[in-house]
Amino acid sequence: QVQVVQSGAEVKKPGASVKVSCKASGYTFSSYYLHWVRQAPGQGLEWIGINNPGGGSTSYAQKFQGRVTMTRDTSTSTVYMELSSLRSEDTAVYYCARGLSDYVYYFDFWGQGTQVTVSS
Amino acid sequence: EIVLTQSPATLSLSPGERATLSCRASQSVITYLAWYQQKPGQAPSLLIYDASNRATGIPARFSGSGSGTDFTLTISSLEPEDFAVYYCQQRSHGLTFGGGTKVEIK
Repeated sequence: QVQVVQSGAEVKKPGASVKVSCKASGYTFSSYYLHWVRQAPGQGLEWIGINNPGGGSTSYAQKFQGRVTMTRDTSTSTVYMELSSLRSEDTAVYYCARGLSDYVYYFDFWGQGTQVTVSS
Repeated sequence: EIVLTQSPATLSLSPGERATLSCRASQSVITYLAWYQQKPGQAPSLLIYDASNRATGIPARFSGSGSGTDFTLTISSLEPEDFAVYYCQQRSHGLTFGGGTKVEIK
């Protein structure tokens, strides 16, 4: 069965970077795009960007360009999202989500979420 | 950026009642719109994509309609497990989500 499992919670200081991982299983890793979406406490959802595990290409929401880097490791079927220059407003649950097969920009399987807390 | 406005913010209904949720876009998204359900402490789950297509395994009581700027998610008869927060999402220009509608037990 399809599974998307994320790394554990992180606590970071302002100005630091965080790297969250997302390990996929139960399907052909290179055949589906993977997205990152975040949710601040008590707030709605915000799209961060997309990674194509097949070719490695990425696209980021304008808000995060220059601060986010998405990479993948095909040998372990894992994608990574690194966010730098953290500030308190980046405190959120970060989700990895798989793009629906022929409708890449909808999300059919989600990870369990990774809590990132930015605090001095 | 396309802004999605969901209404109402909260919908108070009883099990068995019909729920009608609205999502309005600041400009046309054609039919490039999805709906998600999120329960407390869980990740969202896909219900509807491209405005009216039910995702795999989604019960028939969930239906989506609309095009352009006005969209509706209808739950024909609320089951206890349907009380949750619902988000719409567009992929027509960039990718944005609405602010959510909470469906709570009356």
